[in-house]
Amino acid sequence: NAGVTQTPKFQVLKTGQSMTLQCAQDMNHNSMYWYRQDPGMGLRLIYYSASEGTTDKGEVPNGYNVSRLNKREFSLRLESAAPSQTSVYFCASSVIAGAPYEQYFGPGTRLTVT
Amino acid sequence: GDSVTQMEGPVTLSEEAFLTINCTYTATGYPSLFWYVQYPGEGLQLLLKATKADDKGSNKGFEATYRKETTSFHLEKGSVQVSDSAVYFCALSSTNTGNQFYFGTGTSLTVIP
Repeated sequence: NAGVTQTPKFQVLKTGQSMTLQCAQDMNHNSMYWYRQDPGMGLRLIYYSASEGTTDKGEVPNGYNVSRLNKREFSLRLESAAPSQTSVYFCASSVIAGAPYEQYFGPGTRLTVT
Repeated sequence: GDSVTQMEGPVTLSEEAFLTINCTYTATGYPSLFWYVQYPGEGLQLLLKATKADDKGSNKGFEATYRKETTSFHLEKGSVQVSDSAVYFCALSSTNTGNQFYFGTGTSLTVIP
């Protein structure tokens, strides 16, 4: 049981390049999330998918797109990377969106945009 | 909107000292409250949670009580160990947040031998 897995672990991009961050969970969870973590800012929600086939914007969606490929997988795409997107990205999942269900987190992807 | 505020860090303690990390929340409804821990280079792990007023969450010697009257959920541990060095996040979730989680900014704890 791997939980939530993310690839890659590290990535360096040049401004304007694109990339997709991959996330998968093997816990049969319905809901999945993408966060970014910046120093002094805590975690901020980028997008989430309450269930397969649905996606919604979070607090900071600009510059990102997502795809809920199936129940297990939820990807985050940066179409044209900017230095402001340098951050650590975490994927999470939960049985169902919202209280009282906790979220389970992946190990993170550290992205640097130069 | 709903939010959490937690004490600024960093916090440095000697081994076996008492730990308190303050967390207060603002919510119009009845949120569930959580403490997560992040060890260096890892993702967040749930430490404990409480889903209604007066509930006490506990795990690994850590405790926090959901206090509606003071809108607080302070994290405590009686005797910290070096292995407790990590960043601790308070979070809430409720139907008023669209079932989203809102995290505090995190408190870094370093325990020295």
